[in-house]
Amino acid sequence: EPEVTQTPSHQVTQMGQEVILRCVPISNHLYFYWYRQILGQKVEFLVSFYNNEISEKSEIFDDQFSVERPDGSNFTLKIRSTKLEDSAMYFCASSAPDREVFNSNQPQHFGDGTRLSIL
Amino acid sequence: QKEVEQDPGPLSVPEGAIVSLNCTYSNSAFQYFMWYRQYSRKGPELLMYTYSSGNKEDGRFTAQVDKSSKYISLFIRDSQPSDSATYLCAMSGPNFGNEKLTFGTGTRLTIIP
Repeated sequence: EPEVTQTPSHQVTQMGQEVILRCVPISNHLYFYWYRQILGQKVEFLVSFYNNEISEKSEIFDDQFSVERPDGSNFTLKIRSTKLEDSAMYFCASSAPDREVFNSNQPQHFGDGTRLSIL
Repeated sequence: QKEVEQDPGPLSVPEGAIVSLNCTYSNSAFQYFMWYRQYSRKGPELLMYTYSSGNKEDGRFTAQVDKSSKYISLFIRDSQPSDSATYLCAMSGPNFGNEKLTFGTGTRLTIIP
């Protein structure tokens, strides 16, 4: 079964450094998302992306964050100047249009995440 | 009041028991309701999703939604040790699949052989 793949599985970075988290969504999916999960807390929405632009973003997704789809397969999340509180699991998700129901989508499928540790 | 509330557990039951997992929510705009399973160090894996109120069954799993009470449930029949995981409820508004999901905190379930 097709799956969302994320690299690296674990990233350790010094505070203040830039980090790029990478995702390869499922190939026929058109909608892409980033979520994060701080240890012991719930999964939180960061940003959604469609047609090469941000569809929606949360309050967490401030100017330090950016997303990009640099080619036809990758979807990246960049954090410009990392803070200690950015330490979390970051999940990428994707979804496809539902070809049987007009203006509807299939559910979101998640990757296994990147564990980001800021020192 | 939190948008989605879920008892974090942990919940331990013997193998073969029926498990009931629940979430409540406050946002009336939610129309799609999902259950994800998350194993340790893995991403959320979609189990089932339902639209509006009603029941949906898939093998040993049954999802129920009561929109009037803002209450959703997942039942697992004949529970197996492999069902041991964290179960996350998630919800979205009408634009299913292309809008954000709002998650509960997750319930950690252990099935004891």
